[in-house]
Amino acid sequence: GAVVSQHPSRVICKSGTSVKIECRSLDFQATTMFWYRQFPKQSLMLMATSNEGSKATYEQGVEKDKFLINHASLTLSTLTVTSAHPEDSSFYICSAPRLAGTSNEQFFGPGTRLTVL
Amino acid sequence: AQKVTQAQTEISVVEKEDVTLDCVYETRDTTYYLFWYKQPPSGELVFLIRRNSFDEQNEISGRYSWNFQKSTSSFNFTITASQVVDSAVYFCALSVLKGANNLFFGTGTRLTVIP
Repeated sequence: GAVVSQHPSRVICKSGTSVKIECRSLDFQATTMFWYRQFPKQSLMLMATSNEGSKATYEQGVEKDKFLINHASLTLSTLTVTSAHPEDSSFYICSAPRLAGTSNEQFFGPGTRLTVL
Repeated sequence: AQKVTQAQTEISVVEKEDVTLDCVYETRDTTYYLFWYKQPPSGELVFLIRRNSFDEQNEISGRYSWNFQKSTSSFNFTITASQVVDSAVYFCALSVLKGANNLFFGTGTRLTVIP
């Protein structure tokens, strides 16, 4: 099956630094990718939709200037957490849908655990 | 708007017992997809099943089975003869064909299988 990779899998950084997370679809092209955030013992919540060739769309309450998304190619989307603070510590997961007709397959990356000290 | 409800926050069963995880969804779209994922402590989501709204056939895969009932907007998941390795958080999710196709997740059910 299709594979989506994420890098890094784990990152620890100091407060105020920026962190970049990459999401790649390894064997299919994804014009759209999704970024989810999961706080401890909570569900996954959609943060933003990354669109190749256009601006990302953000969910209500997500600061677009803080969470920069760049869909650089049909296989790569990056999420940059700028000036990270401890409250940004979370598990970030990307996904890429592969649509074919009425089929909707969703492929998730393995996630990135961010800890901001 | 789409919504997924998993009323059971935590369930504990003794090994070899059967357990059913409930999932109720809400959507006004007529074409939609339902998913179940397993999330072990590592955090990585493990895909279990995808079902589209036009296919109400129940499915069995080994010890896993799913009961999809459109009349009650439910998509329940049963594990037969549970094992310790089944301990994880299980998420039910919904996506609709129209729109962005992102998933709307339920709040998850933490299953603990006691040896």
